[in-house]
Amino acid sequence: EDQVTQSPEALRLQEGESSSLNCSYTVSGLRGLFWYRQDPGKGPEFLFTLYSAGEEKEKERLKATLTKKESFLHITAPKPEDSATYLCAVQAPWAGNNRKLIWGLGTSLAVNP
Amino acid sequence: ETGVTQTPRHLVMGMTNKKSLKCEQHLGHNAMYWYKQSAKKPLELMFVYSLEERVENNSVPSRFSPECPNSSHLFLHLHTLQPEDSALYLCASSHSDTQYFGPGTRLTVL
Repeated sequence: EDQVTQSPEALRLQEGESSSLNCSYTVSGLRGLFWYRQDPGKGPEFLFTLYSAGEEKEKERLKATLTKKESFLHITAPKPEDSATYLCAVQAPWAGNNRKLIWGLGTSLAVNP
Repeated sequence: ETGVTQTPRHLVMGMTNKKSLKCEQHLGHNAMYWYKQSAKKPLELMFVYSLEERVENNSVPSRFSPECPNSSHLFLHLHTLQPEDSALYLCASSHSDTQYFGPGTRLTVL
């Protein structure tokens, strides 16, 4: 069964304290892995797409990496405004020629000043 | 207005009411989605419209009825809902792989 597991469920950091979030997946026929950020009461905001093992992408203090079984979202010297829930999703075949996203539960990140 | 918009942002309804959620995308995308987000659960895909044609999802109860009159607009018609249907309903659109989300409608069913 296709599945996405994110860890930890919650993470509290001090401002400037770097860390990593994990997204492990089991899916038949990976068609891409996606990272989103979601603030309370808002819709998910797209961050990155990764398609193949070894691929890396960066945006400001965030860096996403991908292996054959998992992805990491590295946060370097976080600031309080990085506090949010970070969601991971993998794209898999669905309903013929279509594809769907399979979502993890997210990691809730809090960065204290 | 840019991106994906949803109205209303908040909705409270009784179990016998009929209401509709509206989504509009200003991105020129050709696919639109409805998701349900509940606490402690991953996002659940409800419906997909690709090139205005609906991709079936047999697991969604018939009290939810989608409508896609054109590539920019998507509706979710609600009737005789249950309290467990209370959730954040998210609309998204895409042109290729990446989906872009609206702010959601917080639905409470009394």
